[in-house]
Amino acid sequence: DSGVTQTPKHLITATGQRVTLRCSPRSGDLSVYWYQQSLDQGLQFLIQYYNGEERAKGNILERFSAQQFPDLHSELNLSSLELGDSALYFCASSVSGPNEKLFFGSGTQLSVL
Amino acid sequence: AQTVTQSQPEMSVQEAETVTLSCTYDTSESNYYLFWYKQPPSRQMILVIRQEAYKQQNATENRFSVNFQKAAKSFSLKISDSQLGDTAMYFCAFMKPFLIQGAQKLVFGQGTRLTINP
Repeated sequence: DSGVTQTPKHLITATGQRVTLRCSPRSGDLSVYWYQQSLDQGLQFLIQYYNGEERAKGNILERFSAQQFPDLHSELNLSSLELGDSALYFCASSVSGPNEKLFFGSGTQLSVL
Repeated sequence: AQTVTQSQPEMSVQEAETVTLSCTYDTSESNYYLFWYKQPPSRQMILVIRQEAYKQQNATENRFSVNFQKAAKSFSLKISDSQLGDTAMYFCAFMKPFLIQGAQKLVFGQGTRLTINP
């Protein structure tokens, strides 16, 4: 168990819909990252938050947004869903400093039908 | 931008054998971290080993060890006495330290699918 909690584990929805993925980082970790893993694109970095502030942005679509709340949990919102958004979405957290490393949650498998 | 390349899409070895997975990367940074992550069929991403670029000593974690060649920008993973449970996709990844300006994220290679046969 990595200590990073993601909910839900599975999500099935229809095109055009909006979903929210939730992530609770490990205790003490201030950074939260979101990654998308699809068969044809591999692991793609979406966005990073540090202590509530956006720190880095990757290949995140405008239809997607995220935030990190004061209690450090994070949510990834996906809207106007398309078939191509079907993927495994990972959240990871890390503590900054000499021992930096990312721990991943078990992921949310999103299926858009 | 940093890139990570894993040139072996698939590998297969017999149980108890030693196997080495290759990884090369490209960066202009002098200080960074390198990682190997394992993704078994459960699809959980599991950290296997971590290397700090400013440390010349190669990292080891039980049966897992790395060969870090900074000048060659090479970072291979050696698995000794391989076990059936080592069957997984293995990803090499690069990350800049938090305090360095710029995007701080893990950049992954495309992965190597490793199968351990009984």
